[in-house]
Amino acid sequence: AQSVAQPEDQVNVAEGNPLTVKCTYSVSGNPYLFWYVQYPNRGLQFLLKYITGDNLVKGSYGFEAEFNKSQTSFHLKKPSALVSDSALYFCAVRDENNFNKFYFGSGTKLNVKP
Amino acid sequence: SQTIHQWPATLVQPVGSPLSLECTVEGTSNPNLYWYRQAAGRGLQLLFYSVGIGQISSEVPQNLSASRPQDRQFILSSKKLLLSDSGFYLCAWSPAGASGVNHEQYFGPGTRLTVT
Repeated sequence: AQSVAQPEDQVNVAEGNPLTVKCTYSVSGNPYLFWYVQYPNRGLQFLLKYITGDNLVKGSYGFEAEFNKSQTSFHLKKPSALVSDSALYFCAVRDENNFNKFYFGSGTKLNVKP
Repeated sequence: SQTIHQWPATLVQPVGSPLSLECTVEGTSNPNLYWYRQAAGRGLQLLFYSVGIGQISSEVPQNLSASRPQDRQFILSSKKLLLSDSGFYLCAWSPAGASGVNHEQYFGPGTRLTVT
């Protein structure tokens, strides 16, 4: 069965430093991968997705993600973190057998300190 | 453009009382609709999804139910709430059909339910 894993419950980074939030996936075919961000008491906001094409995907708010098929990873990155980036981040994969369903990781809390 | 609404935003209900949460989508037709629950501010649990009016798929057996009486309306209900039903409920939609395969989900603002 397909799934995504976010191995870090929390990531701490200083403002201005690069950040990485990790995600690994497990699918038997070609993955459809997504990143979302959630601020407290809000719904999830879409950041970026990988469907096909370039392995480096650029998204909203300066975020990007690198798709690595050999390592089955889709890590979220940003060159210079902002305090306002502090939030909960979710990786998700579309069900390859039922495109109507999505599977989400457990979430990673990003703390950016001034 | 498309928008998704959820109400109420917050709700405090006693154990054993009924529940009705509503979600509506504007600006699109025949969307796939979803209900998720998020406990303790972390992982999302898919509760129900619907690919059309009257078509409901249940992912987790529990005392909740869902209905889709209109194309862009999705309702989450319970006849008797349990303490364990407390959480943050999120509605989402995604485009349906072959053209929607490459699309992400779009989430509503959520409803905070506290069962006392």
